[in-house]
Amino acid sequence: TQLLEQSPQFLSIQEGENLTVYCNSSSVFSSLQWYRQEPGEGPVLLVTVVTGGEVKKLKRLTFQFGDARKDSSLHITAAQPGDTGLYLCAGAGNNDMRFGAGTRLTVKP
Amino acid sequence: NAGVTQTPKFRILKIGQSMTLQCTQDMNHNYMYWYRQDPGMGLKLIYYSVGAGITDKGEVPNGYNVSRSTTEDFPLRLELAAPSQTSVYFCASSGGDITTQYFGPGTRLTVL
Repeated sequence: TQLLEQSPQFLSIQEGENLTVYCNSSSVFSSLQWYRQEPGEGPVLLVTVVTGGEVKKLKRLTFQFGDARKDSSLHITAAQPGDTGLYLCAGAGNNDMRFGAGTRLTVKP
Repeated sequence: NAGVTQTPKFRILKIGQSMTLQCTQDMNHNYMYWYRQDPGMGLKLIYYSVGAGITDKGEVPNGYNVSRSTTEDFPLRLELAAPSQTSVYFCASSGGDITTQYFGPGTRLTVL
């Protein structure tokens, strides 16, 4: 059983479409991170959200932390082929982090 | 500044063989981690270290050992390889903020 559940598991869309992926947990986290991983590489940190209800924007990506700090969403506007990758959410513990299984996004030109 | 480097990139082992996965970071980070990534399962923490000489178990430590004799190096040892250890292994490091982790490129290990 995953501590962090991500949905959908797979998503394939056309260039220019909008999308939202989700990260849900029954646990409260002090912070939550979103990483992107491309094939053959390690994950790269996109953003950290800390405060319940917080919204952060990174160009066309919008990240939101739930009010209860148990869930988060990532919204991409006008997706581009360069957004293709595995999007992982992670929650921080005392000395470690727990990762979700990820959403594998494919953006077709 | 190379960040986190891992060797080898690929390896095939026979059941029962042993090997060491190497990880080095040049960012003077205190925290280092070993994860394994299985298809559809995300990243699972194997071991971590909060500084030289200190290591601790993560979620899935069985079948692995680590050491941290220097700040830079955090090798992962597999003593008796089993097919269940077929996976992609990632090493990561972080400074004072454990939520900002820098990952290496990974080692793809197959045990036959």
